[in-house]
Amino acid sequence: KQEVTQIPAALSVPEGENLVLNCSFTDSAIYNLQWFRQDPGKGLTSLLLIQSSQREQTSGRLNASLDKSSGRSTLYIAASQPGDSATYLCAVGNTGTASKLTFGTGTRLQVTL
Amino acid sequence: GAVVSQHPSWVICKSGTSVKIECRSLDFQATTMFWYRQFPKQSLMLMATSNEGSKATYEQGVEKDKFLINHASLTLSTLTVTSAHPEDSSFYICSVGGWSGNTIYFGEGSWLTVV
Repeated sequence: KQEVTQIPAALSVPEGENLVLNCSFTDSAIYNLQWFRQDPGKGLTSLLLIQSSQREQTSGRLNASLDKSSGRSTLYIAASQPGDSATYLCAVGNTGTASKLTFGTGTRLQVTL
Repeated sequence: GAVVSQHPSWVICKSGTSVKIECRSLDFQATTMFWYRQFPKQSLMLMATSNEGSKATYEQGVEKDKFLINHASLTLSTLTVTSAHPEDSSFYICSVGGWSGNTIYFGEGSWLTVV
């Protein structure tokens, strides 16, 4: 059974800092990995999707990497802003059931002024 | 714009009553939709797969008689929480997509509070 863990559970940084969020998964036979943002009381916003054959994806200040063999992914946020404050979730689409996601525990990010 | 619309966003109901949550796929037809729930301070957990025109597939530990899922059209799936109890209070959210490894889109989610 796939298990997804995110470290740290919570993070507070001053504005402007670069930061890295970590995600690890136990079964490397994944189809893809997706990073989401969840704002309090809101739904999920997809940030980046990495297919199993890819090593990284970039969108603006965000860069996500994937090391399938070691069961790890990182989300790098450059020049953080207060508007980046949210909970970040990584989710794994498993081989054969890519549409059904296994979510990580989330990292709650606070970017302070 | 939104790809998936979910309604209602917030609902409070009395214990013992039933509540229906709708999930609509706005941009494409979906033969399959997924329902997740998230208890406070926990991550999202898949509840069931909604299949258009056939019975839903439930994950282990999810009571199919309590969480009724109907997927009567290619753009609408509904989740009905029957005889709701306070422990059913949770955030329920649906998703669409993911075929061939493409992006999965989520609805806005529904907060259910049972009093």
